[in-house]
Amino acid sequence: AQKVTQAQTEISVVEKEDVTLDCVYETRDTTYYLFWYKQPPSGELVFLIRRNSFDEQNEISGRYSWNFQKSTSSFNFTITASQVVDSAVYFCALRPTGGFKTIFGAGTRLFVKA
Amino acid sequence: NAGVTQTPKFRILKIGQSMTLQCTQDMNHNYMYWYRQDPGMGLKLIYYSVGAGITDKGEVPNGYNVSRSTTEDFPLRLELAAPSQTSVYFCATGDRYSNQPQHFGDGTRLSIL
Repeated sequence: AQKVTQAQTEISVVEKEDVTLDCVYETRDTTYYLFWYKQPPSGELVFLIRRNSFDEQNEISGRYSWNFQKSTSSFNFTITASQVVDSAVYFCALRPTGGFKTIFGAGTRLFVKA
Repeated sequence: NAGVTQTPKFRILKIGQSMTLQCTQDMNHNYMYWYRQDPGMGLKLIYYSVGAGITDKGEVPNGYNVSRSTTEDFPLRLELAAPSQTSVYFCATGDRYSNQPQHFGDGTRLSIL
C-alpha cells in the first residue's frame, strides 16, 4: 500500500523566516517518484518538483530546497526567507515508476504574515 | 496559451441529476487525469487516460465515467449525483516524458444538494 503523510496541517510564520514542510511516505515499490505541488489561495495547482527514488541529491531552486532521505522515507521541502506570496497549501505526492496513480498527501497550509 | 480549460467553474446539482464536466487541453499532452479534492484533503484520482481511446480507473472511480475520443478532450460524467460527490474537481495533463500531472485546470466546484 502507498501512503503520503504530511503531519503539519497548518504552519504560520513571519515573513523572512525559513520554514520546512515535512513529508513522509510509505511504499513497497523499489522505484518511485516523489513530487511537491503548490495550491495558492486562488485555487489552481502548480507542479513544483519531481524526484526519482534513485536520486537522493538535494535540490535547490531559488528560495526553495528539497531534502530527500530514502533511509527515513522523507522528502521535506524548505522555503528560505519566506514571503507573503508563499502562502498556499503545499502537497507532497508519490507515484511508482511506470504507474499513473499519483497519491497525494492531505497538504500543509502555510501562512506567511507580513 | 489556454493550457487546461475546465468548464463550468461552479455548478449546483440536485441529487439524482447527471452532468458532464468538460476538460480541454491545447498542449498535445498524452496523459490526462481527473482528480477530486475534498475540503482539507489531498487529491484523489478518479480516472486517467494515457491517450485517445484509452482510459483507466483511479482510486475513486465509482459514480463517474470518462471518455477520451480525442487527445484534447477528457470529459468526466457524473451519473445520478450524490451528496458525497460534492467536491472540487481538477483536470490535469502530463506529457509523454513524465507521466504525472503537470498542468492543472482551474477546477470545477460542484455542490450536490
